[in-house]
Amino acid sequence: QSVLTQPPSVSAAPGQKVTISCSGTSSNVGKNYVSWYQQLPGTAPKLLIYDNDKRPSGIPDRFSGSKSGTSATLGITGLQTGDEADYYCGAWDRSLTAVVFGEGTKVTVL
Amino acid sequence: QVQLVQSGTEVKKPGDSVKVSCKSSEYTYADFGISWVRQAPGQGLEWMGWISGYNGKTDYAQKVQGRVSMTTDTFTRTAYMELRSLTSEDTAIYFCARDLNWFDSSGQHSRKFDFWGQGTLVTVSS
Repeated sequence: QSVLTQPPSVSAAPGQKVTISCSGTSSNVGKNYVSWYQQLPGTAPKLLIYDNDKRPSGIPDRFSGSKSGTSATLGITGLQTGDEADYYCGAWDRSLTAVVFGEGTKVTVL
Repeated sequence: QVQLVQSGTEVKKPGDSVKVSCKSSEYTYADFGISWVRQAPGQGLEWMGWISGYNGKTDYAQKVQGRVSMTTDTFTRTAYMELRSLTSEDTAIYFCARDLNWFDSSGQHSRKFDFWGQGTLVTVSS
């Protein structure tokens, strides 16, 4: 069982918006920065968001991140079929002294 | 462009050891570390540990502490992850990732895995 809690799946029609939550504790999300990764089927994960809300170069602004207290959120607007993937949140846990990830959320474009 | 290229598929028996390599290119090796992350079939991501590209300092996850060794060769820009006493539960895809991490002025830990290797499948079966 993962330390960070994410919904197993979310779905929406093309062009719509989805949000993915990532719930943690004061040991991880509450006191450290959150990053988000996209994993397309059969490929390595890809960094989407770091430091809660920053996008690496090349990541479109359709992807956004936010954090409040012990929860973080990834938003995807203008949903495209190419966005169908698993999405993971990650953060440092100061009690475990380890990077912890959520279980992953599968995004389906209807 | 930054690339991390990993070694190929491994098939091992229970009790064996495996050593996976990760060769980096096109960035200043000492400015970053390498983290190893594994993914069991159909499962999520699990962080195994980190090695500094600057001085070889390591930090291992408790779950694999004692069975894992991470090393680095700065001349060839290659990081290695060795896992010993393998069991079927170690069957997974093993990824290396370029790791940049620090503590900010308020003590918050920032960490990002911004480039990843292609993954190495390790199968443990009798």
